[in-house]
Amino acid sequence: EAGVAQSPRYKIIEKRQSVAFWCNPISGHATLYWYQQILGQGPKLLIQFQNNGVVDDSQLPKDRFSAERLKGVDSTLKIQPAKLEDSAVYLCASSLGVGRQPTYEQYFGPGTRLTVT
Amino acid sequence: GNSVTQMEGPVTLSEEAFLTINCTYTATGYPSLFWYVQYPGEGLQLLLKATKADDKGSNKGFEATYRKETTSFHLEKGSVQVSDSAVYFCASDGSSNTGKLIFGQGTTLQVKP
Repeated sequence: EAGVAQSPRYKIIEKRQSVAFWCNPISGHATLYWYQQILGQGPKLLIQFQNNGVVDDSQLPKDRFSAERLKGVDSTLKIQPAKLEDSAVYLCASSLGVGRQPTYEQYFGPGTRLTVT
Repeated sequence: GNSVTQMEGPVTLSEEAFLTINCTYTATGYPSLFWYVQYPGEGLQLLLKATKADDKGSNKGFEATYRKETTSFHLEKGSVQVSDSAVYFCASDGSSNTGKLIFGQGTTLQVKP
């Protein structure tokens, strides 16, 4: 079974530029998550989709970050304009669904490392 | 609010030593608890989980017991190997029904031969 795919793996941009990340979840997974992992910290949820609807975007800086999941499969995360503090690894994860009994395992992609100079 | 706190690293051990990585959580209700591992150059992988009090999660020789009375989920392994060198993250779902995970800051483990 193919895992969660992300691209690009690395990106270097200057502040105030725009950048986009792409994620392809595991086939059949209804739920997709984007996390931001700043160096030395644990991942922090930015946005969660259930199919193509947003479940939680409470920690997404909406003045500069946007995300979409067209047709309930692939997703893109965009930053425009980027700031120095956006330097981080952006992780995409997917799961079959959501719920607590049973809990659904989240499968993570390799991440995109963004450096803003 | 919901949070997860892990012991700071890095933790450096010799091969075959005993490992403990402390994790405590705060949450309303009774969250599910997880340990994820990130090997060098790889993505996060679920190592083990526990969904209710007194549950013990185990995998690959690692264990963690959900202790409600101490709000803890410490990770243990009796004999570590060089291949266990990685970053370990404790996480909670904060009793949420959405699957949202709240992570600790991660603990780097380095095992020397």
